[in-house]
Amino acid sequence: EAQVTQNPRYLITVTGKKLTVTCSQNMNHEYMSWYRQDPGLGLRQIYYSMNVEVTDKGDVPEGYKVSRKEKRNFPLILESPSPNQTSLYFCASSWSGGETQYFGPGTRLLVL
Amino acid sequence: DAKTTQPPSMDCAEGRAANLPCNHSTISGNEYVYWYRQIHSQGPQYIIHGLKNNETNEMASLIITEDRKSSTLILPHATLRDTAVYYCIVRVFGGYQKVTFGTGTKLQVIP
Repeated sequence: EAQVTQNPRYLITVTGKKLTVTCSQNMNHEYMSWYRQDPGLGLRQIYYSMNVEVTDKGDVPEGYKVSRKEKRNFPLILESPSPNQTSLYFCASSWSGGETQYFGPGTRLLVL
Repeated sequence: DAKTTQPPSMDCAEGRAANLPCNHSTISGNEYVYWYRQIHSQGPQYIIHGLKNNETNEMASLIITEDRKSSTLILPHATLRDTAVYYCIVRVFGGYQKVTFGTGTKLQVIP
């Protein structure tokens, strides 16, 4: 089954404790992306990747890092999480940035 | 990317057609209009896309004005399960660029 998976689905952490949210897709898509969703602000893109080792900033990259060492995986790294990064995070993939995007189920993060 | 403007919320009676508008007055000639929807806090789901001709699939119809400055997503017979937030975005087809979703339209289907 074609899908985008994210782990963990729910995470509670404390300020400053490094964390990684994993994202994996099994569709051999080139383009992968991370979004955050906050009430009243819609979906905002954090980072995107056009292919292995090629990444670029979205609209809200501050406080986040990404890496794309393999085509199928695109982890989101919060080196020093802060409460303002409490949000619902979605990973997505597609053949290219303009193609139909497939979204993961979301990761709900709470930073205390 | 060109920006889009959508009403924040709309209501529709169950069984009636839901018409969701989107303005994209600065759309470029090579940009497509895409529609997604998000039910509760699930991942957004693709609905339909088009360039300038009207499009229809099993989920919805997309009507794009001749000047391409606006479009309407039509759900022909809305059901309670169509209650969701609907996002209209414009993107270059095949482009490797960032994507801007905006805040969308919250559609409430009323029994």
